[in-house]
Amino acid sequence: NAGVMQNPRHLVRRRGQEARLRCSPMKGHSHVYWYRQLPEEGLKFMVYLQKENIIDESGMPKERFSAEFPKEGPSILRIQQVVRGDSAAYFCASSPDVFSNYGYTFGSGTRLTVV
Amino acid sequence: GENVEQHPSTLSVQEGDSAVIKCTYSDSASNYFPWYKQELGKGPQLIIDIRSNVGEKKDQRIAVTLNKTAKHFSLHITETQPEDSAVYFCAATTGFQKLVFGTGTRLLVSP
Repeated sequence: NAGVMQNPRHLVRRRGQEARLRCSPMKGHSHVYWYRQLPEEGLKFMVYLQKENIIDESGMPKERFSAEFPKEGPSILRIQQVVRGDSAAYFCASSPDVFSNYGYTFGSGTRLTVV
Repeated sequence: GENVEQHPSTLSVQEGDSAVIKCTYSDSASNYFPWYKQELGKGPQLIIDIRSNVGEKKDQRIAVTLNKTAKHFSLHITETQPEDSAVYFCAATTGFQKLVFGTGTRLLVSP
């Protein structure tokens, strides 16, 4: 079991470019959560998705940010027209389908630097 | 919504001492409380968790206690070692919902 896979590990973008962050959940997990962590700070929830559905996007900025989890392939967090304030570590977690077994597992993160 | 508070923000101990980190939560419906360890440059790693039907859980040098009435839970690390140095996060959830994290505790274990 490869665990939660995130790529790229590091991403550098110039202001105004687009950033695409990918997350492949653990095998058998169909629940994906995205979190953002600023330097020296905690983990802030962004969005919770199941296959082809956004369940909770209460932590997502209203503009420039979007997320998807298609039927096939990884979950994608997309940031359009990046600004310096988007520089952070973005973590993805997944959880299994059996309700009685929560077990949120995190990936190693993507560190986004906007220059 | 759920709100989780965590104390202390930093904790320095000598190797071999015990360390205790405390968290409180606001949503009485929360029923799952994991603890994560995060080392520099890495993702959070689950170290222990507890469900609301259990008051205490232990795994070698790590233990977690839960007081549902008071809505607080604690992480206890005994016989600390330098490799325990990291940032520790508590979290709470009702399950199949977002994990709400505390603000983290930076633990430093000095040899």
